[in-house]
Amino acid sequence: EIVMTQSPATLSVSPGERATLSCRASQSVSSNLAWYQQKPGQAPRLLIYGASTRATGIPARFSGSGSGTEFTLTISSLQSEDFAVYYCQQYNNWSEVTFGGGTKVEIK
Amino acid sequence: EVQLVQSGAEVKKPGESLKISCKGSGYSFTSYWIGWVRQMPGKGLEWMGIIYPGDSDTRYSPSFQGQVTISADKSISTAYLQWSSLKASDTAMYYCARRGIAGADYWGQGTLVTVSS
Repeated sequence: EIVMTQSPATLSVSPGERATLSCRASQSVSSNLAWYQQKPGQAPRLLIYGASTRATGIPARFSGSGSGTEFTLTISSLQSEDFAVYYCQQYNNWSEVTFGGGTKVEIK
Repeated sequence: EVQLVQSGAEVKKPGESLKISCKGSGYSFTSYWIGWVRQMPGKGLEWMGIIYPGDSDTRYSPSFQGQVTISADKSISTAYLQWSSLKASDTAMYYCARRGIAGADYWGQGTLVTVSS
């Protein structure tokens, strides 16, 4: 099983600041990496797929980078609606998809 | 508009069986894989498995193989997740999600399953 490790577990950021979230895979997943946002009481929402492609309707302040085992989600200027939990997911093999443990982005 | 609508919350006793559903609309249901995701209270996301409704090809995550059954009825555009004997540890929110070009692009609203004696 490919283990996905996200860091930090919690990120305290002021509105308007940049947030950088990391995700590491225990073995290469090429660019088969997605990022999701989940707010309390809601289903997850797809933000990024293919490591760097924004999903439909996702604002340009969200960007993804990386390949292989190291990935980053950057939120360039945090808005109030961006405070949430973010998960990375590898889908190198859809039979054995795994998620990271999540990063909670909270207001500083 | 693509929608995945899940069945309502369930409260069950240990040992009981359960089948929850996920109905797709607004797209060709038989052309996209549907996955199931577990989220235990206060915890992260866990991938359970995936089914292709077009031919019912089903793949299970190793952690869930033998613990649940995933199925689909393409005639009514509905996928299912079922248990034959629930345990307290099955208490969780369960989501269905459509596998898009890459990643899960549409999600159901979730079904809360509570197992308690």
